[in-house]
Amino acid sequence: GAVVSQHPSRVICKSGTSVKIECRSLDFQATTMFWYRQFPKQSLMLMATSNEGSKATYEQGVEKDKFLINHASLTLSTLTVTSAHPEDSSFYICSATSALVDTQYFGPGTRLTVL
Amino acid sequence: KQEVTQIPAALSVPEGENLVLNCSFTDSAIYNLQWFRQDPGKGLTSLLLIQSSQREQTSGRLNASLDKSSGRSTLYIAASQPGDSATYLCASPSGGYNKLIFGAGTRLAVHP
Repeated sequence: GAVVSQHPSRVICKSGTSVKIECRSLDFQATTMFWYRQFPKQSLMLMATSNEGSKATYEQGVEKDKFLINHASLTLSTLTVTSAHPEDSSFYICSATSALVDTQYFGPGTRLTVL
Repeated sequence: KQEVTQIPAALSVPEGENLVLNCSFTDSAIYNLQWFRQDPGKGLTSLLLIQSSQREQTSGRLNASLDKSSGRSTLYIAASQPGDSATYLCASPSGGYNKLIFGAGTRLAVHP
């Protein structure tokens, strides 16, 4: 299957700072990328859907001004957690897909810890 | 709106047992259903994808079935091994852009 990478794999930051997470599709052009959040022992919850070159669509209850998503190219999407707080500590996973595939390819995830 | 439920939430078995993990969904007009594996602190690995026109898919010791009329899918693991220990998630698309709705997962522990 296709390869999707995320960087960084782990990040620890102080409360109030901003953190950027990158999601890259390494071997195919991803017209659509998804961002999920997963709390311990819980399932993945979709945060937003981003299509290359257009604004992201956020799920209900997700603050778009807090979680900034940019999908400027067919291989890269970024999630920026602005003014992070301890309650934002979570496992963030991205996935990538295109009209040519029937599935989403998932990245390895980024563990964010906000002190 | 699609809702996905998985039972049991956790399962602990001795090595060698055959297992059945259950997934139910509310909207039977699904496009497909997918089973994933997640190891602790890791991302997701796709195991099997069943299209709406199919009834089952097999890969090695894994077999997944789909019954749209009853809103159910099962993942059968034959001759379980300690390396099968992980969380198993099922998911189905809902709405546009293939938005996946995930179940809460089944945490499987296979003891030697």
